[in-house]
Amino acid sequence: KAGVTQTPRYLIKTRGQQVTLSCSPISGHRSVSWYQQTPGQGLQFLFEYFSETQRNKGNFPGRFSGRQFSNSRSEMNVSTLELGDSALYLCASSLLAGDPGELFFGEGSRLTVL
Amino acid sequence: AQSVAQPEDQVNVAEGNPLTVKCTYSVSGNPYLFWYVQYPNRGLQFLLKYITGDNLVKGSYGFEAEFNKSQTSFHLKKPSALVSDSALYFCAVRGAGTALIFGKGTTLSVSS
Repeated sequence: KAGVTQTPRYLIKTRGQQVTLSCSPISGHRSVSWYQQTPGQGLQFLFEYFSETQRNKGNFPGRFSGRQFSNSRSEMNVSTLELGDSALYLCASSLLAGDPGELFFGEGSRLTVL
Repeated sequence: AQSVAQPEDQVNVAEGNPLTVKCTYSVSGNPYLFWYVQYPNRGLQFLLKYITGDNLVKGSYGFEAEFNKSQTSFHLKKPSALVSDSALYFCAVRGAGTALIFGKGTTLSVSS
């Protein structure tokens, strides 16, 4: 069974640009969560989607947005990039949202903002 | 609001010695507790979880964790550390219907 796939794995952008990251969950998983990982802040929760609906949202500015498609694939977008947005963005999937099942993580998309 | 605290940024142990990585949590209602491990430039790998039942939970690679409700703790343990256990360890908690929230992580360094 294929794991969680994130694309692209690495990308470099400049301040003010926007970026879209993609996540394909494990087959059959309907929930997708996104996290931002930085050395200083650790793992911070961005959003959680289930059946195309955002169920939970972290404390990030409106420049960070996401969506989920009918096939459970998800994208997140960051507009007007800032230097502080440089991070590893991790996507995770699970069968359902908010249940006690574990999340399965992808390898991440490493974003560098210059 | 739920939260997780990992009081130690780094834990150093010698190979063959027991290890403990500490975690305390705060959540409304019954907690769902997890431990994950991350190797350099990789995503997170699930180690174990506590949902209900026995307070001692056994997981992957010989790790176990003890749930203590009165102390709101969920410490990760292993009887005999391996050099290959060296990695970044995250404790996480979620309440019913809420997102999974992670601690800041603890770097485990096992020396030979």
